[in-house]
Amino acid sequence: DTEVTQTPKHLVMGMTNKKSLKCEQHMGHRAMYWYKQKAKKPPELMFVYSYEKLSINESVPSRFSPECPNSSLLNLHLHALQPEDSALYLCASSHLDWNTEAFFGQGTRLTVV
Amino acid sequence: AQKITQTQPGMFVQEKEAVTLDCTYDTSDQSYGLFWYKQPSSGEMIFLIYQGSYDEQNATEGRYSLNFQKARKSANLVISASQLGDSAMYFCAMREGRSGAGSYQLTFGKGTKLSVIP
Repeated sequence: DTEVTQTPKHLVMGMTNKKSLKCEQHMGHRAMYWYKQKAKKPPELMFVYSYEKLSINESVPSRFSPECPNSSLLNLHLHALQPEDSALYLCASSHLDWNTEAFFGQGTRLTVV
Repeated sequence: AQKITQTQPGMFVQEKEAVTLDCTYDTSDQSYGLFWYKQPSSGEMIFLIYQGSYDEQNATEGRYSLNFQKARKSANLVISASQLGDSAMYFCAMREGRSGAGSYQLTFGKGTKLSVIP
């Protein structure tokens, strides 16, 4: 199984809503990542979890709150987002090695209205 | 300074022809990995090919090959016999051996949009 599964695929939310993005992998990877990608731009790293602990937060606003309940799951909790937060949110996972690839989910297309 | 540079915002190639997508990188690490990903309009990032800094031979995966020139710090992707389904964004990326927090996160270039013409 080389899949990273993200749900939902599409999400429309108001600026006062609370929602969560979910990501799951069963490849035994101990690193999991959230990326944000705006149209026609490369993915930008948001958070990194290694061994279920937050190891990198790339100065992401607190309205984005990550959570790693166990080694297979990664969540991104969203609250009070702004329209400029509309983007494709990609989850990825990998082994903790520089010489192995990261696997990505299909992403969640988020629209904030 | 950018760690990964892709200088071709867009490329066109005739179906069945070969195309080269350029990528240069900047790192002071001895250990690093270079990766190419394909992103169709659906959004998923699809891993294509990997080249390690200690690999002496160029990587190949089916129709994809990586032209690795270490001294020039370039890792160009070559797609042979282009197909209509190859139309997508292509990202070059790097993982460095001494990335902080033991996470070895991927750093991406800006991407090249490839369009295959029938």
